[in-house]
Amino acid sequence: AQRVTQPEKLLSVFKGAPVELKCNYSYSGSPELFWYVQYSRQRLQLLLRHISRESIKGFTADLNKGETSFHLKKPFAQEEDSAMYYCAQRGNFNKFYFGSGTKLNVKP
Amino acid sequence: NAGVTQTPKFQVLKTGQSMTLQCAQDMNHNSMYWYRQDPGMGLRLIYYSASEGTTDKGEVPNGYNVSRLNKREFSLRLESAAPSQTSVYFCASRTGAGANVLTFGAGSRLTVL
Repeated sequence: AQRVTQPEKLLSVFKGAPVELKCNYSYSGSPELFWYVQYSRQRLQLLLRHISRESIKGFTADLNKGETSFHLKKPFAQEEDSAMYYCAQRGNFNKFYFGSGTKLNVKP
Repeated sequence: NAGVTQTPKFQVLKTGQSMTLQCAQDMNHNSMYWYRQDPGMGLRLIYYSASEGTTDKGEVPNGYNVSRLNKREFSLRLESAAPSQTSVYFCASRTGAGANVLTFGAGSRLTVL
């Protein structure tokens, strides 16, 4: 079964500092990876997906097949980025597997 | 356009009681999912339904049953609730056509005493 690993449970940074949330996935020939975000009192929602190669709210994520990683990065964190972030991988038969999540706390 | 609607939002059960969590989506999606969210464990897939009339087990199906009543609705049943099933449950549906984006409901917080 697919496994998605997020090694950090909590990441605290100061406003304006760079942030990187780590995600490693289990090997798959053609992985399809996502980042979902859950802001306080809001629903879990898609932040970005690797296939789109897009930047959303200043966040980017690059798929590194050699390291089986899909780390989420932002050069200058904002207080409104404080949230729970989940990395996810689409597995066989369109089942989606999530990591354990990283809580990002951006301090003023 | 409500998206994905879950009921109830909160429920407290005693060990051994049964209950059904309801989920409905109005986006005409084929695929629907049930996840549970636990601290430190993230979201774990309980059951999945690719289309009306089909269901498949996920990572943690024990103690649960599901029913895909029609294209809109996908219910999760706990036949005999246990304290280990205390969790927040999320229903989701998936866009197709290659987009593969999950739309989530607001969640149902279940406490089993």
